[in-house]
Amino acid sequence: AQTVTQSQPEMSVQEAETVTLSCTYDTSESDYYLFWYKQPPSRQMILVIRQEAYKQQNATENRFSVNFQKAAKSFSLKISDSQLGDAAMYFCAYPGGYQKVTFGTGTKLQVIP
Amino acid sequence: DVKVTQSSRYLVKRTGEKVFLECVQDMDHENMFWYRQDPGLGLRLIYFSYDVKMKEKGDIPEGYSVSREKKERFSLILESASTNQTSMYLCASSSSPGGGTDTQYFGPGTRLTVL
Repeated sequence: AQTVTQSQPEMSVQEAETVTLSCTYDTSESDYYLFWYKQPPSRQMILVIRQEAYKQQNATENRFSVNFQKAAKSFSLKISDSQLGDAAMYFCAYPGGYQKVTFGTGTKLQVIP
Repeated sequence: DVKVTQSSRYLVKRTGEKVFLECVQDMDHENMFWYRQDPGLGLRLIYFSYDVKMKEKGDIPEGYSVSREKKERFSLILESASTNQTSMYLCASSSSPGGGTDTQYFGPGTRLTVL
């Protein structure tokens, strides 16, 4: 069974600083996708960034980037120039089976003004 | 923009009641999902559907059933609600016809309390 592990239940970052959220996963597949989703307080969960495993280049979306280490099965999310609006729960997700996406337990990010 | 709506943001029910949670998406997505979100446990898949009238069990289907009579609507049914089903329920949809490669679009969630 696929597993996704987020070892940091909570993290905090000063506004304008950089923070990295960690995620590890377990799979025997060689070609797959990985996702980071963001769930702001009392708001809908949205996609932050998506990585395709066969691509060597790490995905980036504005201030959000990933550090994808395929051999280590690690998929961390880096948020640069943190803003107050980045405060949220962040979930790492791996679609391990036919439409069965496995989510991590989440990391609650606090942004300190 | 994809829009996924859920019938209620907050719901309070009594033990033993039959509960219906409704989800509607407006982007003609093939796939729809019901998750349960609990603190420290993340999101756990209850059921998903990849086509009208088709359904597959997720990781925690016990105590739940689903219905998908129309492509845009996916209902979660608690046949006899119990206190351990108090939780946040999230609906999602995606367009991928096979494999979990596509982004899932989520509804706002229904916070269900069973007394």
